[in-house]
Amino acid sequence: RKEVEQDPGPFNVPEGATVAFNCTYSNSASQSFFWYRQDCRKEPKLLMSVYSSGNEDGRFTAQLNRASQYISLLIRDSKLSDSATYLCAVIRSSNTGKLIFGQGTTLQVKP
Amino acid sequence: NAGVTQTPKFQVLKTGQSMTLQCAQDMNHNSMYWYRQDPGMGLRLIYYSASEGTTDKGEVPNGYNVSRLNKREFSLRLESAAPSQTSVYFCASSPGAVANTGELFFGEGSRLTVL
Repeated sequence: RKEVEQDPGPFNVPEGATVAFNCTYSNSASQSFFWYRQDCRKEPKLLMSVYSSGNEDGRFTAQLNRASQYISLLIRDSKLSDSATYLCAVIRSSNTGKLIFGQGTTLQVKP
Repeated sequence: NAGVTQTPKFQVLKTGQSMTLQCAQDMNHNSMYWYRQDPGMGLRLIYYSASEGTTDKGEVPNGYNVSRLNKREFSLRLESAAPSQTSVYFCASSPGAVANTGELFFGEGSRLTVL
């Protein structure tokens, strides 16, 4: 079993829809969590960190559920430009800060 | 605005050949990383260097070697390429411990095909 798992999708949604992705992690000692965005054939870029209390950045909301060991990303009012692959990333507590990525979830927003 | 620069961007090798992927960053970052990305597998850490003069194994180090030549440069070497090493390779850097911000700055990637 991979340490960090995501549903690869693709998630096909119409513009304006709300969509949510989950990401599960297996190491209960994991301490930090992040969402990255990767456009087709481009490099990943940090989208947002995930804080214990949950956090919001515009149309994007990230949440952490430590009891069930998953993080989530909610996108409201989807735009065509949100089409991308969303990668969750986790830092374990037992190492020097290696970032472990999930396989990514692909989102396609349709007009 | 160079950031993280990788060379070459594309390479085709025959099985058994060797090659080195070069990576340089101009952001004065301490930590550097090499990842590979394969369909369905996501990004997997090959090696990383927390600071100049240090390197450490990641999730999938077998078949690779690295050199942290100086603070700016971190190279990845394939001594005897195998078809299983066909992948997109990303170099990344971070100012310090990635645990602080979680932010890695990635290069544009190097697409390697081993025949």
